Amino acid sequence: GAGVSQTPSNKVTEKGKYVELRCDPISGHTALYWYRQSLGQGPEFLIYFQGTGAADDSGLPNDRFFAVRPEGSVSTLKIQRTERGDSAVYLCASSLMGDTGELFFGEGSRLTVL
Amino acid sequence: AQRVTQPEKLLSVFKGAPVELKCNYSYSGSPELFWYVQYSRQRLQLLLRHISRESIKGFTADLNKGETSFHLKKPFAQEEDSAMYYCALSEYGNKLVFGAGTILRVKS
Repeated sequence: GAGVSQTPSNKVTEKGKYVELRCDPISGHTALYWYRQSLGQGPEFLIYFQGTGAADDSGLPNDRFFAVRPEGSVSTLKIQRTERGDSAVYLCASSLMGDTGELFFGEGSRLTVL
Repeated sequence: AQRVTQPEKLLSVFKGAPVELKCNYSYSGSPELFWYVQYSRQRLQLLLRHISRESIKGFTADLNKGETSFHLKKPFAQEEDSAMYYCALSEYGNKLVFGAGTILRVKS
């Protein structure tokens, strides 16, 4: 497909479990971003990759959150020991380079922690 | 830290009426500002950015540094404008700070 693809679209898990969320960016986009959107709020920055490296991970809330992008394309956001407060929509976006101007967003992965 | 404030959760107008979605920001430098839009059942997408100084779908937004505002305006609302609108700021690089969003509802 031509757009940013995220899987799963919905994930329900129990408190304390481990979760992985996947993002497949637009082909050729070197920059990839993860955002988190809680109910009634705007997207909140988590982490930004330029190529394979995390150029800015200052938005990750704590060490339970980790993201990788080993080959500079697909990225996985990993959440350990999930808590109810982690429930949110996790959005992935990509852009051609590091130009913030136009981010292309995926449809998001809705995570519910029971 | 930079902040983006959208004071209205919901703005409801009649078709053909003017629209103004408010956005205020706090940032000490020279920010880059954007409006993103999310139509029903669609993904979040860029509407316009202040450096482009262009009109998209009849919408314009002017950066007012004195008032630290970047309000989105359209002279005549259309039903297809109904959506969630987010104002966003980037101080540098690639980290966007979003406001909480305003739902625009255009009634016929």
